[in-house]
Amino acid sequence: RKEVEQDPGPFNVPEGATVAFNCTYSNSASQSFFWYRQDCRKEPKLLMSVYSSGNEDGRFTAQLNRASQYISLLIRDSKLSDSATYLCVVKSMGGSYIPTFGRGTSLIVHP
Amino acid sequence: EAGVTQSPTHLIKTRGQQATLRCSPISGHTSVYWYQQALGLGLQFLLWYDEGEERNRGNFPPRFSGRQFPNYSSELNVNALELEDSALYLCASREGSGVQPQHFGDGTRLSIL
Repeated sequence: RKEVEQDPGPFNVPEGATVAFNCTYSNSASQSFFWYRQDCRKEPKLLMSVYSSGNEDGRFTAQLNRASQYISLLIRDSKLSDSATYLCVVKSMGGSYIPTFGRGTSLIVHP
Repeated sequence: EAGVTQSPTHLIKTRGQQATLRCSPISGHTSVYWYQQALGLGLQFLLWYDEGEERNRGNFPPRFSGRQFPNYSSELNVNALELEDSALYLCASREGSGVQPQHFGDGTRLSIL
């Protein structure tokens, strides 16, 4: 089982739709979680951290389910500009601060 | 505040040559990470430097090496370049605490002819 797994998609949705991505992780000792956004041939950019109680930033909501070892990202009222690849990142503590990146989920928002 | 800066933006080399890529972290960040992202693939961890020392390296051959300077900037060296080394090389930095997220530079696109 891969350390961090994401459905590669693509998720093809119309403007205004709500879309959700999940990301599963295998290391139960993981303690830090993030979502990044990566546009084609560009660098990843931090979208949001994921906190245990869940957190929201405008149209974006991130949640963590430790029992089932997954994090999720919900995007409401999708915009054309949301089209990108969304990377899930998991970090485990204890000496090795190497984050593990998922392969990413591709989102295409169409008019 | 300036972000992570990488140079050069593009680099074209031929097989067998050597390449040097540079990275300046965000001011105050002491940790620098290097990643390789081949076309259509995910980020592959290469190297992690912190406080001038190599802390960890990914599953890459020894011809991938680097260093971190006293000002926390970093350099990635790739020797004996191979065609499959063609990729986007990304540098990221973060603040001291391991729970902080990384911030990426624009990357160096290395093309091997």
